[in-house]
Amino acid sequence: GAGVSQSPRYKVAKRGQDVALRCDPISGHVSLFWYQQALGQGPEFLTYFQNEAQLDKSGLPSDRFFAERPEGSVSTLKIQRTQQEDSAVYLCASILSDSLVETQYFGPGTRLLVL
Amino acid sequence: GQNIDQPTEMTATEGAIVQINCTYQTSGFNGLFWYQQHAGEAPTFLSYNVLDGLEEKGRFSSFLSRSKGYSYLLLKELQMKDSASYLCAVLDSNYQLIWGAGTKLIIKP
Repeated sequence: GAGVSQSPRYKVAKRGQDVALRCDPISGHVSLFWYQQALGQGPEFLTYFQNEAQLDKSGLPSDRFFAERPEGSVSTLKIQRTQQEDSAVYLCASILSDSLVETQYFGPGTRLLVL
Repeated sequence: GQNIDQPTEMTATEGAIVQINCTYQTSGFNGLFWYQQHAGEAPTFLSYNVLDGLEEKGRFSSFLSRSKGYSYLLLKELQMKDSASYLCAVLDSNYQLIWGAGTKLIIKP
């Protein structure tokens, strides 16, 4: 595709509800990242995939957060039993190769509000 | 711990020049990125510095001093569309991007 796309763009969830956030990276991009961005803050790293392999999940804040990329393209970030502190923008980014010094291309983000 | 510091907010006048500073303390260094982020939109790449010195790209320039743990982004001939947040991010020894909180730049006519 022309760029990284994410869906839904906005999600309102009740506390305790499960949510699934989707990322479609640029076609052919090998590396994929998920970030969490709180209001007025920079993005915080959550997890990183190279193709279908999840190479780093050190940034996931709890075991309620789970990410997958089963076929090495589309990725889903799942949050179980959402809490109010999960409210943030979730950004996805991709890189063409496995070289992490390359520019990351970001999607528009999913704005999650947990009530 | 790892730390990236940049001013929270700056104001400048259309047509003028502004310099946004970033200081960092990270475990290792594999380069520094500047990204622009308009409100409600995705961050977009502006520059990457891994060696000391100034990189110029049109109206935008970025400077790096590794020994001082310091970078700046210089914006010339400011336009109203330059109103955005500017994020400084360092690639650490694990090749993980560590982000600053961003500098909100307000351009006044």
